[in-house]
Amino acid sequence: NAGVTQTPKFRVLKTGQSMTLLCAQDMNHEYMYWYRQDPGMGLRLIHYSVGEGTTAKGEVPDGYNVSRLKKQNFLLGLESAAPSQTSVYFCASSYGRGDTEAFFGQGTRLTVV
Amino acid sequence: DQQVKQNSPSLSVQEGRISILNCDYTNSMFDYFLWYKKYPAEGPTFLISISSIKDKNEDGRFTVFLNKSAKHLSLHIVPSQPGDSAVYFCAASAGNYGQNFVFGPGTRLSVLP
Repeated sequence: NAGVTQTPKFRVLKTGQSMTLLCAQDMNHEYMYWYRQDPGMGLRLIHYSVGEGTTAKGEVPDGYNVSRLKKQNFLLGLESAAPSQTSVYFCASSYGRGDTEAFFGQGTRLTVV
Repeated sequence: DQQVKQNSPSLSVQEGRISILNCDYTNSMFDYFLWYKKYPAEGPTFLISISSIKDKNEDGRFTVFLNKSAKHLSLHIVPSQPGDSAVYFCAASAGNYGQNFVFGPGTRLSVLP
């Protein structure tokens, strides 16, 4: 029972490089989310999706893009990484939106130098 | 401006005693609340929830209390165990309005043997 799986777990990027974080869930959830966690800031929503083929901006979307071509996958892209994007990124999925709990992946620690 | 606040960054409690973690919110439209627990290098995991139609919800050693007039909720852990040492996040949403959850900054609980 995998739940939510994120790849990679760790990554170091140089400023200006691009990368894609992969998220896969096997629970047939409609809703998927990308968060970033920074010290003292809690979890802040970057982008989310309410179903296959849909995406929407969250609280801190600038510098990121997402795609949800398949229901089970949600991809987060950084086109031109900046040191301010150094963070721990979490993907999550849920059955409902604002009234059910979410299941989180184990996180991706990204460092931009 | 943070809509969900956890004003204690850290809390230390002796094993066997009660742990009380507090959370305050500013948005009166919030009607659904969750607590998550997070261990280092892992994703958050759901702990307990409460909706605005209740003022208390209990699950084993964990009880969440909601005071809507004060816009305050608290998580009680009785008795506290060393394995409870983790970061606890409070999250709130206007679920009936289809809104996403907003997370607090977290409180690090240390349960001392």
